[in-house]
Amino acid sequence: AQKITQTQPGMFVQEKEAVTLDCTYDTSDPSYGLFWYKQPSSGEMIFLIYQGSYDQQNATEGRYSLNFQKARKSANLVISASQLGDSAMYFCAMDYGQNFVFGPGTRLSVLP
Amino acid sequence: DTAVSQTPKYLVTQMGNDKSIKCEQNLGHDTMYWYKQDSKKFLKIMFSYNNKELIINETVPNRFSPKSPDKAHLNLHINSLELGDSAVYFCASSQDQTSGSGTQYFGPGTRLLVL
Repeated sequence: AQKITQTQPGMFVQEKEAVTLDCTYDTSDPSYGLFWYKQPSSGEMIFLIYQGSYDQQNATEGRYSLNFQKARKSANLVISASQLGDSAMYFCAMDYGQNFVFGPGTRLSVLP
Repeated sequence: DTAVSQTPKYLVTQMGNDKSIKCEQNLGHDTMYWYKQDSKKFLKIMFSYNNKELIINETVPNRFSPKSPDKAHLNLHINSLELGDSAVYFCASSQDQTSGSGTQYFGPGTRLLVL
């Protein structure tokens, strides 16, 4: 069964604005990790940000931040000040136990 | 320096053939993975492997077999290729397979087309 849900197949955002990409997950493991990856049209998978289930603070990496709400089992990615180069597929992923699962992805298009 | 590399980048072949995709990582990681990304961009893990354990996704046909000559390499061998095998295959590695700490770093992908 799919453990990661990304409800937005596609999103548009105006350049320089912030955008939130949704991710919810389902696991009964107390220890897990949540990840976001970016896949531009060139095809490579680029690691963006990581949040551990026991981390007290939300993860941040430059313009990327992860809005981690453990009780709601959500791990939304926030991109601030969007740039044209942010246009890509974004995948939420989780590792739990000895498994690693990806969500279906959200295609983000940044408009000039 | 490339952290995770895959060869070939593109692979076009006929149905029924046997082919291999090579993967190497120079990160000193303990665990390596193979993923399949279909035409709808859905990523599905096929195998994870460290020097102790191979974990196979039970939905993967036994025509697919990972082979690891050493810790830095995990090659994917595919027998009797079928049209449905056409996809992008990604290799990845992580330092640790322990839950919650294994950030994975991906290779550039191998685009397989079966004719």
